[in-house]
Amino acid sequence: AQSVTQPDIHITVSEGASLELRCNYSYGATPYLFWYVQSPGQGLQLLLKYFSGDTLVQGIKGFEAEFKRSQSSFNLRKPSVHWSDAAEYFCAVGPFSGGYQKVTFGTGTKLQVIP
Amino acid sequence: SAVISQKPSRDICQRGTSLTIQCQVDSQVTMMFWYRQQPGQSLTLIATANQGSEATYESGFVIDKFPISRPNLTFSTLTVSNMSPEDSSIYLCSVVSRDTQYFGPGTRLTVL
Repeated sequence: AQSVTQPDIHITVSEGASLELRCNYSYGATPYLFWYVQSPGQGLQLLLKYFSGDTLVQGIKGFEAEFKRSQSSFNLRKPSVHWSDAAEYFCAVGPFSGGYQKVTFGTGTKLQVIP
Repeated sequence: SAVISQKPSRDICQRGTSLTIQCQVDSQVTMMFWYRQQPGQSLTLIATANQGSEATYESGFVIDKFPISRPNLTFSTLTVSNMSPEDSSIYLCSVVSRDTQYFGPGTRLTVL
């Protein structure tokens, strides 16, 4: 069965500092991987996704993620965090073929940004 | 892209009552999904709703508790029936469009 682990429940970084959010997955085939962000009172917004090809994926808002098959990881990074990045981040994995998909979400990492 | 709206955005309900959540999409989509996001937990898929057919429920979710309607390609409702405090969650509507999954803003439900 597929699963996603986000080992950090809560992370605090200073504005302007770099950020890395960890995501480890378990999946029996080549995974489809996603990162979503949820701001307070908002729905989830897709930051980036990996289906195949280049293992370094660029997303919106200056985020990127690197797929490392050997480590079963898909960590999210940003070189310089802005106060508006404070939100909850969800990693997800699963099949994403055409219509029906069974995407499994991690438990999320809450990011706090301090001045 | 797909823009999704949900009503209500939040509600406080009494035990034993039912609440119907509406989901409206700004484009026609084949499949709509309903998720539950319990406090401190990940998103859990409740069911998949196809237009013109019965919804498909995930393990642990049943139609009597979470009846779903899908009258057309842009609209769906989820009813949370006979509510208990354990149903307090955020309920999210979701669609897939062009290989991207979009989510509504969610309905925050508190059951007293």
